[in-house]
Amino acid sequence: DAGVTQSPTHLIKTRGQQVTLRCSPISGHKSVSWYQQVLGQGPQFIFQYYEKEERGRGNFPDRFSARQFPNYSSELNVNALLLGDSALYLCASSLVAQGGEQYFGPGTRLTVT
Amino acid sequence: GIQVEQSPPDLILQEGANSTLRCNFSDSVNNLQWFHQNPWGQLINLFYIPSGTKQNGRLSATTVATERYSLLYISSSQTTDSGVYFCAVHPGRETSGSRLTFGEGTQLTVNP
Repeated sequence: DAGVTQSPTHLIKTRGQQVTLRCSPISGHKSVSWYQQVLGQGPQFIFQYYEKEERGRGNFPDRFSARQFPNYSSELNVNALLLGDSALYLCASSLVAQGGEQYFGPGTRLTVT
Repeated sequence: GIQVEQSPPDLILQEGANSTLRCNFSDSVNNLQWFHQNPWGQLINLFYIPSGTKQNGRLSATTVATERYSLLYISSSQTTDSGVYFCAVHPGRETSGSRLTFGEGTQLTVNP
């Protein structure tokens, strides 16, 4: 079975632009979570969706939004990009809504210039 | 929120040596995972271990939930073990969701 997939792999954007990142969970997994990892730090939680409903939101500004589709894939949108949004964005999927083992995708590396 | 502390921050070993990485957390947890992040950024699952002991080849892990710590043991280290090791937890007090809180990681370098 395929693991968690993310697209694109790399992305370069200019300050003020908007970006959409995509994630497909492991087949059968209904929970998708998004994390941001800046260089030298551990990943920080952004959002979790389960069965298309938001189940958690981290301490990120409203410029960050996400949604989950009926096939359980997910998109993360970031508006009005700032230099500080440059990071590795990781998507994780799990079988259950709470407490289950999470599996991560390869990430999307976003550079904002 | 829950605090996660990993030690040591950096570790340099010769190939063949053994090592122990530690993760302390400040509250009860219902999920604890150990990951290895490779140079390309991929987080590789090592253990899902909210309590007890597990072994997988040269790696083993122990979580003592009542004392709020977990240990990751690497035996007979190889150069391919190099990378950053993360501990991540989900607080037991959170009754919904599964957000993971990560530590700052241990940067392991294994020299030939």
